[in-house]
Amino acid sequence: DTAVSQTPKYLVTQMGNDKSIKCEQNLGHDTMYWYKQDSKKFLKIMFSYNNKELIINETVPNRFSPKSPDKAHLNLHINSLELGDSAVYFCASTSARLYSNQPQHFGDGTRLSIL
Amino acid sequence: GDSVTQMEGPVTLSEEAFLTINCTYTATGYPSLFWYVQYPGEGLQLLLKATKADDKGSNKGFEATYRKETTSFHLEKGSVQVSDSAVYFCALKGSGGYNKLIFGAGTRLAVHP
Repeated sequence: DTAVSQTPKYLVTQMGNDKSIKCEQNLGHDTMYWYKQDSKKFLKIMFSYNNKELIINETVPNRFSPKSPDKAHLNLHINSLELGDSAVYFCASTSARLYSNQPQHFGDGTRLSIL
Repeated sequence: GDSVTQMEGPVTLSEEAFLTINCTYTATGYPSLFWYVQYPGEGLQLLLKATKADDKGSNKGFEATYRKETTSFHLEKGSVQVSDSAVYFCALKGSGGYNKLIFGAGTRLAVHP
């Protein structure tokens, strides 16, 4: 009965490869997010979707492309992986409408390591 | 833009000691404030929140009060346990739309028996 689940948990790959991370939530939420946590534990938002519509797109290289096939799923595809992409990527979701104060629920993260 | 500043860690305490982790913020309008906790190898969990000035959030013995006059949301616990060892993140959601969380850098807490 995991609320926000990400796959895979660990991803080790070579520089230059293309990879995808998947996220699913079973909470009935309509807003989902991707965050990046660097080696110093600093968390920064990357993208957010509300009902399959992109609503937040921070300054992220266009090698990163989120895709939301439906409001329960938000996947992250990364092209031409670089060493600096090594991080833990967290998916989150909330029931919030735009101006609500509902908290975000986080997945357990995907640790991406680029060799 | 909006930002959150937390005290640098690591914070190392003995069991049953008093904990304070400082958090201050910069934001326009009236942000909502949150503390999240990340246990080793896990995702973030909401610990507590406060949505307006003078609100006190509390959970599992932790407390934080939203102080608009000092733009602070310090986390406190009267008696920490070894199981409280984790990384604690202060975060704000601005009064604008889109429910975007701005996180502090995180503070690692290590509690020893």
